[in-house]
Amino acid sequence: DADVTQTPRNRITKTGKRIMLECSQTKGHDRMYWYRQDPGLGLRLIYYSFDVKDINKGEISDGYSVSRQAQAKFSLSLESAIPNQTALYFCATSPKGLAEVDTQYFGPGTRLTVL
Amino acid sequence: KQEVTQIPAALSVPEGENLVLNCSFTDSAIYNLQWFRQDPGKGLTSLLLIQSSQREQTSGRLNASLDKSSGRSTLYIAASQPGDSATYLCAVMSGTSYGKLTFGQGTILTVHP
Repeated sequence: DADVTQTPRNRITKTGKRIMLECSQTKGHDRMYWYRQDPGLGLRLIYYSFDVKDINKGEISDGYSVSRQAQAKFSLSLESAIPNQTALYFCATSPKGLAEVDTQYFGPGTRLTVL
Repeated sequence: KQEVTQIPAALSVPEGENLVLNCSFTDSAIYNLQWFRQDPGKGLTSLLLIQSSQREQTSGRLNASLDKSSGRSTLYIAASQPGDSATYLCAVMSGTSYGKLTFGQGTILTVHP
């Protein structure tokens, strides 16, 4: 089984709809992240959580909200989806530890299309 | 604000060639620099991580170098194979953004038989 899973893997929705993307991990990591990827722009950080009670905005949090339901679960919500939120969304995790060796483990991504 | 740039945006080479992917970053105060591989439908996989105190890391046919003072890193792939075809992403963990990665735009590599 994959260590970091994302559901759904693909979603097509309409403008104005509320959408939730879910991420679960079995790695036992404290830290979790949500990124979006647009063609030609690399990955950009939306929200991150260093533990269940510590949630922070990333570079592009407007229009998004998150919930850390447990150490293993981190959900991303689009309260009212708009077409420019069409993108590939990734969840990632990392363990606590020295910054110099800190890397992240990514889920397979969710392709979201907003019509 | 840290900015990461990758050149070229795309690269197509015949099998067997040695190749170099480039990454530059604007703020040299970093914890580490990482190279990831992205395959369609499979997320990102970490290839190499270079700590700020290191100059290079090697894994099999891959070698990554880091020059913090000039804000540059290169990923060298020796004897390329069709299975190396993927998008390669460079990411930096800045000293002012502990735990957060700043990514470059990626290089799309195609190795043809």
